[in-house]
Amino acid sequence: AQKVTQAQTEISVVEKEDVTLDCVYETRDTTYYLFWYKQPPSGELVFLIRRNSFDEQNEISGRYSWNFQKSTSSFNFTITASQVVDSAVYFCALSEARTGNQFYFGTGTSLTVIP
Amino acid sequence: DAGVTQSPTHLIKTRGQQVTLRCSPISGHKSVSWYQQVLGQGPQFIFQYYEKEERGRGNFPDRFSARQFPNYSSELNVNALLLGDSALYLCASSLFSDSSYEQYFGPGTRLTVT
Repeated sequence: AQKVTQAQTEISVVEKEDVTLDCVYETRDTTYYLFWYKQPPSGELVFLIRRNSFDEQNEISGRYSWNFQKSTSSFNFTITASQVVDSAVYFCALSEARTGNQFYFGTGTSLTVIP
Repeated sequence: DAGVTQSPTHLIKTRGQQVTLRCSPISGHKSVSWYQQVLGQGPQFIFQYYEKEERGRGNFPDRFSARQFPNYSSELNVNALLLGDSALYLCASSLFSDSSYEQYFGPGTRLTVT
């Protein structure tokens, strides 16, 4: 079974629009961690954020914000006032306490920001 | 500080051949993981090594093997290459092997099997 689902395969927005990338996860562990990574065309995955299962506070970092809701097993990522440099593939990932540092990645959402 | 480095950048092999990919973690990081990323998909976990010991193994055949050296660098070996092994192979390092630590990824090795 897929542990991390990113239902949006591709999204296109016009520059300065806001965009939300969805992530739904599945785990039986009570202790787990959620991550978002950005993969630009160069291919290197860039770490964006980590949340643990006990901290449901939303987080904002500049134009980026994350909404973690355990009730719906979701960890969504919003980019405000999108820019062309935000164009990339974004991956959501899950790690579980029982399997250590093994990450389960979603299939990614390809974001294109049109100038 | 240098990030995770991988070599080679690109590689073309023929079916049936063997390949070795190399990875150097961020200085001070003791855990190295390997992932396979097929075009259009998310990375799939292959192995994790911590302090030279295998700590996790994904659902890959025995043709895939790895090891970690005393300096924490790592090698991934793939024997009897198949066309389906064509992918981007990513190495990631983290401070420790615990699930709470983020992983930092290298640029990857793009393997093409013909």
